[in-house]
Order: sequence, then C-alpha cells, then structure tokens
Amino acid sequence: KAGVTQTPRYLIKTRGQQVTLSCSPISGHRSVSWYQQTPGQGLQFLFEYFSETQRNKGNFPGRFSGRQFSNSRSEMNVSTLELGDSALYLCASTTPGGFTEAFFGQGTRLTVV
Amino acid sequence: ELKVEQNPLFLSMQEGKNYTIYCNYSTTSDRLYWYRQDPGKSLESLFVLLSNGAVKQEGRLMASLDTKARLSTLHITAAVHDLSATYFCAVDSGAGSYQLTFGKGTKLSVIP
Repeated sequence: KAGVTQTPRYLIKTRGQQVTLSCSPISGHRSVSWYQQTPGQGLQFLFEYFSETQRNKGNFPGRFSGRQFSNSRSEMNVSTLELGDSALYLCASTTPGGFTEAFFGQGTRLTVV
Repeated sequence: ELKVEQNPLFLSMQEGKNYTIYCNYSTTSDRLYWYRQDPGKSLESLFVLLSNGAVKQEGRLMASLDTKARLSTLHITAAVHDLSATYFCAVDSGAGSYQLTFGKGTKLSVIP
C-alpha cells in the first residue's frame, strides 16, 4: 500500500518567488493536512482539506494557500517567499471515517535564499 | 488556544536505563498521538491513544493517557541506541477538526 507522497523533496527558491508543493494522500484517504516544521517554531498546522474544501486554517499569513482536487491530491502555494519560510513542509492524510490516525509524507524541504 | 508541553526537551540516557517523557496539554481532548522523527526524516506514528486510561505498548515503548489530568506519558524501558530520535506528542483539537497541535519534541540520545 503506497504511503503519502510529497513532491518535490527539496526546493531552493529566491526571496520574492512563489512555490507550489504537492501531496498525494494514501488511497482512500480524503482529508489532507499541511504542517510547517522549523527549528524555532516546531510543528505548526497550516490548513486541512476534505473533499476539496478547506475546513481549517492555522495562523499563517495569506501568502500561504492551498487547494485539493477531486482525487484528493492537494497542493499548497506560498507566494512572495521570505527567508523565514525556509522549513520542512509535511503533508498528512487521515484515515477515513474519522480522525483516528494521521500518516505523514516524507516532506518537502524548502530553502529560501 | 490549545497548548501542548513536553518535558524534558532533551534527554541523554545510557543503554539499559528506563525513563519517562511527559506530555501535558491545556484543554479537554481524548485523542493524543505520539510520533517519532529521525533526523531529516518525516514523522512516524508510534501510538494513537483515543480514550481515558488508554495504554499501548510496542517493544520498549509504552504510552498512556490520563484525560482528567490532561497528561500522557511515553515510558522507555531498557533503552537501546536505536531508540535515539526526537519524540513528539500531539493533541487533536477535537470536534472533527483534524488539526494536530504538537509539543516541541523530546530529543532522545541513548548512549552505548
């Protein structure tokens, strides 16, 4: 059974650019959540999508956005990148029928220079 | 706002010793999760605790949940070097929000 797949694994971008990250959840999982991990702030919730609808959003500026497609794949976008956006971005898909467990992808390591 | 506090944040222990990591959280929740993260890697699910009094064990690790005290513990028995990693607890905000609030993690180093 395939796990959560995130692409790309590594990215280097310049300040001011924008970036799009992709996440394919486990087959049958319809909820996808995104988290940012930094040494200073730890793991922070970005947003969660279910059936193409954003249900929850964390305390991040509007430069961070996302969407989910009909096949449950999700993308997140960060516009006007800042140095502080350098982080590991993790995607998680949750078991269907209720939130009993979240499975995380390998993450995308974003470096902003 | 839900807060999750772990302690200690750093733990260095010798192989063969026992120790406990504590996870306190600030609001009512009956769903708590423990994850392991190796350097540069993603989060690996260890335990899912879904009710008061839940206890789960896997190998040298045992996790428990006391929802009344808002406390979970991760107990390590006879530590081995392979357990060296960072351990996170996370609490679900509840109400079907599918939103995890994480502790800052406990970096465990097991010394041979």
